Amino acid sequence: DTAVSQTPKYLVTQMGNDKSIKCEQNLGHDTMYWYKQDSKKFLKIMFSYNNKELIINETVPNRFSPKSPDKAHLNLHINSLELGDSAVYFCASSQGLSGANVLTFGAGSRLTVL
Amino acid sequence: KQEVTQIPAALSVPEGENLVLNCSFTDSAIYNLQWFRQDPGKGLTSLLLIQSSQREQTSGRLNASLDKSSGRSTLYIAASQPGDSATYLCAVGSNYQLIWGAGTKLIIKP
Repeated sequence: DTAVSQTPKYLVTQMGNDKSIKCEQNLGHDTMYWYKQDSKKFLKIMFSYNNKELIINETVPNRFSPKSPDKAHLNLHINSLELGDSAVYFCASSQGLSGANVLTFGAGSRLTVL
Repeated sequence: KQEVTQIPAALSVPEGENLVLNCSFTDSAIYNLQWFRQDPGKGLTSLLLIQSSQREQTSGRLNASLDKSSGRSTLYIAASQPGDSATYLCAVGSNYQLIWGAGTKLIIKP
């Protein structure tokens, strides 16, 4: 039973489209994250939610909008997709904040914008 | 501003050798340091977490050390196996966030 699951695993779409990536965790964690890993393999935090409240919102274009309907789910919606949005997006969760606790990652969602 | 550096960026060694991966950070005010493994096309797996008050942690053939004063951590892998081939990332817990290194890509040759 997967602890942190993301869907879809692969997503290929045209510039200008709107798409969503979903994430669910069954670990009972109270904090969830979205990370972006670019072609150079750097991991960058995008958003962090603790008990459904946004606590970290790094410098990310407002075309990216996270939504957390409950503490087990954190979805990422992207409007007006651009070529530079192509990357692997990772969802993760932890009990408490990541600076102090172990993160559990999903398998990633590879987004390709054509 | 905390910065995390991993050297080397890539490493290739024959099977059976012991090896050390390095991670350095600029600000010693950290909560912890974590080592992760990333396999191609997959997510990250947490290997070891060292709290700021600890000097080292061990799990099987892996041993991670932490020297806060010098801003360094090492991940020691004993008796390397082809299955150890992956990218290894270190991440420093600082200011309620994880600050990531760029990783070391490790290849173990059979």
